[in-house]
Amino acid sequence: AQKVTQAQTEISVVEKEDVTLDCVYETRDTTYYLFWYKQPPSGELVFLIRRNSFDEQNEISGRYSWNFQKSTSSFNFTITASQVVDSAVYFCALSNQGAQKLVFGQGTRLTINP
Amino acid sequence: DSGVTQTPKHLITATGQRVTLRCSPRSGDLSVYWYQQSLDQGLQFLIQYYNGEERAKGNILERFSAQQFPDLHSELNLSSLELGDSALYFCASSPRQSSGANVLTFGAGSRLTVL
Repeated sequence: AQKVTQAQTEISVVEKEDVTLDCVYETRDTTYYLFWYKQPPSGELVFLIRRNSFDEQNEISGRYSWNFQKSTSSFNFTITASQVVDSAVYFCALSNQGAQKLVFGQGTRLTINP
Repeated sequence: DSGVTQTPKHLITATGQRVTLRCSPRSGDLSVYWYQQSLDQGLQFLIQYYNGEERAKGNILERFSAQQFPDLHSELNLSSLELGDSALYFCASSPRQSSGANVLTFGAGSRLTVL
């Protein structure tokens, strides 16, 4: 069975601090995909990144970076120099090759205080 | 604006009633997915349609049903509503039929409150 665990329910930091959101996943498949979505206070789910299981290269996009480690089944998300606009609930999700659905973690509520 | 349109945005109804949630996918997308987001269950996959045909089912109750029409819009019907059905219902779309690599584009959601 597939499972995604986001152990951090809530994180609160002061603006300009770096923050890392943890994501641990479980799957028996060798081909799978990992995602991060952002849910701002307005409620919609916004796609941030997708990685496949064969690409362990870390990725950086502006202030965002992702660290994928198959050895520890983790796909962590770091925001550098956080800003108030980064306040949102962040979801990590998993799907398998040919799968029709995303399995989501419970989400981490991130609050950036000015 | 994601391009996925959901109506209504908010809906308040009573137990035992029936409601219909509507979704128009992003232009060019053939797959439509429905997800339920509740406080206790989190984000749960309900059902997927591709070009009018049901492709996958998740944790969808028998009181719930969905369909995708020839113009590709989809409707989620919720009947005999219970308090526990109160949730945010998301529609998402993607271009392809079935691939774990699909990036889903989500709508803004329909918030259902059952009193």
